[in-house]
Amino acid sequence: QKEVEQNSGPLSVPEGAIASLNCTYSDRGSQSFFWYRQYSGKSPELIMFIYSNGDKEDGRFTAQLNKASQYVSLLIRDSQPSDSATYLCAVNEEGSQGNLIFGKGTKLSVKP
Amino acid sequence: DAGVTQSPTHLIKTRGQQVTLRCSPKSGHDTVSWYQQALGQGPQFIFQYYEEEERQRGNFPDRFSGHQFPNYSSELNVNALLLGDSALYLCASSLGVGSGNQPQHFGDGTRLSIL
Repeated sequence: QKEVEQNSGPLSVPEGAIASLNCTYSDRGSQSFFWYRQYSGKSPELIMFIYSNGDKEDGRFTAQLNKASQYVSLLIRDSQPSDSATYLCAVNEEGSQGNLIFGKGTKLSVKP
Repeated sequence: DAGVTQSPTHLIKTRGQQVTLRCSPKSGHDTVSWYQQALGQGPQFIFQYYEEEERQRGNFPDRFSGHQFPNYSSELNVNALLLGDSALYLCASSLGVGSGNQPQHFGDGTRLSIL
């Protein structure tokens, strides 16, 4: 059973701090990794994707991938109350033409 | 630039009925995937359509079927509805077959409630 694991949280950080969200996956052949943000009652919104080991930065967001450890993380710098949401990690299945496997998500709360 | 659009936004049905959900992909996208998201869970893959054919299917029964039209829009049909089918149904679009590497963009979803 291919799985993506995330700490469900809630993860609470003060405004302006760095929020660190983590995800592990079981399928060693996975090639693509995605982070989605989902506000309560809304649909997932793509915020980052990463394919290669290392870091990828986009504004206040940094995705980090370590395929050897089967670990992917998302850092949010200068966290804002508007970042409060559930963050979903998604991994493509090896050999897949589009089957994303999602974790259950980590709920982030940024306190003013 | 039009994003992924889904209709209807909400739907209430009773057990045993049938339902059809609709999706128009983001402009320039040709691949549509459908997901089911139960409360408190991550989305689960139902199936993907490309060139009007079902290319891949998740672990869902045959009661779940779909279709893709020449304009790339898609429908999800669910027959013999069960209480457990109550969920948010998400459509995602992307570009190209073999699009496992291509980011998928989600619509706002259809919230289906079964009474």
